[in-house]
Amino acid sequence: DAMVIQNPRYQVTQFGKPVTLSCSQTLNHNVMYWYQQKSSQAPKLLFHYYDKDFNNEADTPDNFQSRRPNTSFCFLDIRSPGLGDAAMYLCATSLSISDEQFFGPGTRLTVL
Amino acid sequence: AQTVTQSQPEMSVQEAETVTLSCTYDTSESDYYLFWYKQPPSRQMILVIRQEAYKQQNATENRFSVNFQKAAKSFSLKISDSQLGDAAMYFCAYRSAAYQFYFGTGTSLTVIP
Repeated sequence: DAMVIQNPRYQVTQFGKPVTLSCSQTLNHNVMYWYQQKSSQAPKLLFHYYDKDFNNEADTPDNFQSRRPNTSFCFLDIRSPGLGDAAMYLCATSLSISDEQFFGPGTRLTVL
Repeated sequence: AQTVTQSQPEMSVQEAETVTLSCTYDTSESDYYLFWYKQPPSRQMILVIRQEAYKQQNATENRFSVNFQKAAKSFSLKISDSQLGDAAMYFCAYRSAAYQFYFGTGTSLTVIP
């Protein structure tokens, strides 16, 4: 089945140690999004790619970067994770920017 | 900036009954989209229903319907004939004309057998 896949589902990293979360999709959607969702809070959009065009939200910290090497894959890089970066990270895709978003299951990041 | 408010952190409903989840938003735009997403425990978020602001008719998807009051900036979700599988966190979301997404803080729905 076509879907949005996030690996790993659970990631543990140490304070300050770079970590990469991955997202892949078989939907052939043009747009891919990364959200951060902290406990009991709303998902917060970090950035999105429309094809190769990167769009960063104004309040996304520089510590967060993203790569999209091809249509199917998108990576979230956290260069120096802090304790405050512990959260669920959700990847989503949509055919175009105005279409419904399809979400992956999320990666729960723990920072020790 | 747009904000989305869900004033009910938790709600419960008896199986087969009807429940309404509330959502209000703040915007100065006239063209936007509104969504309700469902996030079951440990499962991924899925779209329940969406509403285009320019449409006066309320969206309906089977047991799910919305009451969209544009002037009041209100967008409530009604779930009829509630089922156990409806238990989840429900998020209201706003998408601006500039394609920015804003989510509310969610309402946790419990369905009582």
